Amino acid sequence: AQSVTQLGSHVSVSEGALVLLRCNYSSSVPPYLFWYVQYPNQGLQLLLKYTSAATLVKGINGFEAEFKKSETSFHLTKPSAHMSDAAEYFCAVTFSTNAGKSTFGDGTTLTVKP
Amino acid sequence: DAGITQSPRYKITETGRQVTLMCHQTWSHSYMFWYRQDLGHGLRLIYYSAAADITDKGEVPDGYVVSRSKTENFPLTLESATRSQTSVYFCASSELGTDEQYFGPGTRLTVT
Repeated sequence: AQSVTQLGSHVSVSEGALVLLRCNYSSSVPPYLFWYVQYPNQGLQLLLKYTSAATLVKGINGFEAEFKKSETSFHLTKPSAHMSDAAEYFCAVTFSTNAGKSTFGDGTTLTVKP
Repeated sequence: DAGITQSPRYKITETGRQVTLMCHQTWSHSYMFWYRQDLGHGLRLIYYSAAADITDKGEVPDGYVVSRSKTENFPLTLESATRSQTSVYFCASSELGTDEQYFGPGTRLTVT
């Protein structure tokens, strides 16, 4: 069965510091991986996605993620945090053999301190 | 308006009542989804639909009913609401099952 684990339900960084949000998945077939962001009282918005084209994926707002098959990871990074990055972030996985049934991680709340 | 909309945005209902949450998308996406979001549980899939008249259960379907007679609409009905169904409900759509999903703004449902 597919699963996604986000390590750390809360991450706090200072403005200008590196952001690293961790996501590991389990699967026996090639995955499609996504990072979404949710601002308060809003729905989720896509940050970036991995669909087997390139292992380093660049998304919106300066975020990027690297797919590492050997580590079954898809960690999200941003070199320099901005106050506006404070939000909840979700990692999600789906597979071509299970199309439509995405599995979401429990989410990581990012706090950015001034 | 283009995009995906949900109504109502907020709803308070009593235990045992039937309530329907509406979802409408303007992209003609094939796939549509219903999730509930609860603290400590992230997003959990209730039902999804791959096309009009095709629906399937997700992780937590008990107590919910869906229909999809038209591609653009995917209503979710709680036949007899219970307090455990108090949650924020999100509708989403995607063109393909492996594509990114586009989410509505959510419906905050409280069952008293």
